[in-house]
This record gives sequence, structure tokens and C-alpha cells, in this order.
Amino acid sequence: QQPVQSPQAVILREGEDAVINCSSSKALYSVHWYRQKHGEAPVFLMILLKGGEQKGHDKISASFNEKKQQSSLYLTASQLSYSGTYFCGTIKTSYDKVIFGPGTSLSVIP
Amino acid sequence: DAGVTQSPTHLIKTRGQQVTLRCSPKSGHDTVSWYQQALGQGPQFIFQYYEEEERQRGNFPDRFSGHQFPNYSSELNVNALLLGDSALYLCASSLDAWGTYEQYFGPGTRLTVT
Repeated sequence: QQPVQSPQAVILREGEDAVINCSSSKALYSVHWYRQKHGEAPVFLMILLKGGEQKGHDKISASFNEKKQQSSLYLTASQLSYSGTYFCGTIKTSYDKVIFGPGTSLSVIP
Repeated sequence: DAGVTQSPTHLIKTRGQQVTLRCSPKSGHDTVSWYQQALGQGPQFIFQYYEEEERQRGNFPDRFSGHQFPNYSSELNVNALLLGDSALYLCASSLDAWGTYEQYFGPGTRLTVT
């Protein structure tokens, strides 16, 4: 079942902060975050594992609430380069497939 | 270090035809996954190959098939093309154990079915 992402789209001015949310109705093993710029491949940002381990981008932070099956991606002091579509991907067990959400479009303007 | 490469970049086919897309994984990666991404949507998982075998499969018909070679490169074959198969096809490679390791995506093959 596809995770739900919110908001669908957001426009920020440079320097502003944003939070992108991802939620699932199923118990999760991990949540993955990717960013895709227009016409390009998705790029890995972060993995949040059940139990609290995180791997990923130094300048991006995220959280994973295992009880609520929710994850949030925090983008602080946004830069123009943060523009793109952010996808969360959820995994139920360590060898399960990734199910990607519909994406959140983020536009950062000067 | 070369990342994930895919060929061709673009492809135009006619309904009913067959197509083969190719992917070379990032050096050191042994697992290849294929995704279909329609315009404005998230990537949809087609299948995953590990040690030359299909390990996982998404909700795609048997018209979609694949192969992994001993050097870990992979092919995606789609038979009897439909208009609805028009999409960006992404290949991603990773180390084993998906849940723990990141995937590296290739630039994709844009397939147009007319």
C-alpha cells in the first residue's frame, strides 16, 4: 500500500524551512527519502531504520515515529538547489520491496 | 567510479512491439531493481534481481520480464507494448538487504509507445 505524503506541493523563499511528511498504514522496517529534480534520476537522501538508526545526508534531518508509522523530512534554511520532488519510500521488512509515495513538489524561489 | 548507466536514453515503439532496456549497476553493487515512473508519479516497483534470479516482483503483468547477467548488469523486456506502457523506466542498484541500504538510480529510459 502506497504511503501518503503531505503536503503535495510547497513553495518557499530561500532561507525558509519546510517539513515534508510521510505516513503508512502498515508497520514499517525503514523509511527512505529521495529527491528528484526535473528530468533527472532520484537521488538518495536518507534512510531511517526501525530502532533509531539513520543514514544519509549531513545537511538534511529526518525523524521516524515507529509507533505512528510516520516520517518527516526537515529542510532548514532552504537553498535554490533544494527544489525538486521529494519521495518517501517505505519498506515493511528488511528484504521487502520499496513502495514509493506520490511525491511532494518543493520549489525554492529567490 | 561510474554510477548506474542505462541504455537507450529514449525509445519510441509502436503498440504490440517488444522492447529491451539495459542497465549496468554501480561498481560493487549486486542487486538491480527496475521501476516504472509515469509522469507526475512516484516510481512503481517492477522487479528486483539478485544473483541472476528474480527475487521480488511488483504488480506488473508477465509481459514484463527481466534478466540479470553474471556481471550484475540487467535487462528489462516488455512484450506486446500498450500505450499505457509509456513511461520513464528507472534502474536502481544497491547492495543486498534493501531495507538497510540506499539505492542508486540510473538516468532512466524514456519509452514512448504510439
